[in-house]
Amino acid sequence: GQNIDQPTEMTATEGAIVQINCTYQTSGFNGLFWYQQHAGEAPTFLSYNVLDGLEEKGRFSSFLSRSKGYSYLLLKELQMKDSASYLCAVSSGYSTLTFGKGTMLLVSP
Amino acid sequence: SAVISQKPSRDICQRGTSLTIQCQVDSQVTMMFWYRQQPGQSLTLIATANQGSEATYESGFVIDKFPISRPNLTFSTLTVSNMSPEDSSIYLCSVEDQGLGYEQYFGPGTRLTVT
Repeated sequence: GQNIDQPTEMTATEGAIVQINCTYQTSGFNGLFWYQQHAGEAPTFLSYNVLDGLEEKGRFSSFLSRSKGYSYLLLKELQMKDSASYLCAVSSGYSTLTFGKGTMLLVSP
Repeated sequence: SAVISQKPSRDICQRGTSLTIQCQVDSQVTMMFWYRQQPGQSLTLIATANQGSEATYESGFVIDKFPISRPNLTFSTLTVSNMSPEDSSIYLCSVEDQGLGYEQYFGPGTRLTVT
């Protein structure tokens, strides 16, 4: 079966750094995705990891350890507009994505 | 990335009726998907819309309840049939970009309320 775990909620302060963790157990693995979803909007693609290590893209970085079934999304220099739900999703087969329940991040002034 | 539109953006329907949701993409794509996102929940894949053949449904979803059409490479419809309040949800279509890591891009969603 497929199981993806991430914290339900996190809070952080504007300008700070926050790390959102995701652990997964899936029957196959073709890559891990992070999406951002603002309330009432569709998810938008943030990052993709298929090999171990860190992928950096501006203020956002994503890390993957396949042996540990673990990923994190790192957000630096937090801004108020970063308040959103962050979804971890695993591709375990051709074109099949399984989503975690999402982590609601609240950034306060 | 592809630009995806959905119609309607929202609707309020009576139980027992059906609603067809349209998804239009501005470029030809091979893979199109339909998801459901119930209140406070994450996304659940309903089915993969295959061009020229029947859709492939995930466990727990059946064609009689969620018939899907895919007449060409830029368009798909999802019908929610014989609706009940439990079908109240956001329905999203997505397309796959095979250029990078097969990431999926989502349409704006259709917010359905069944009374």
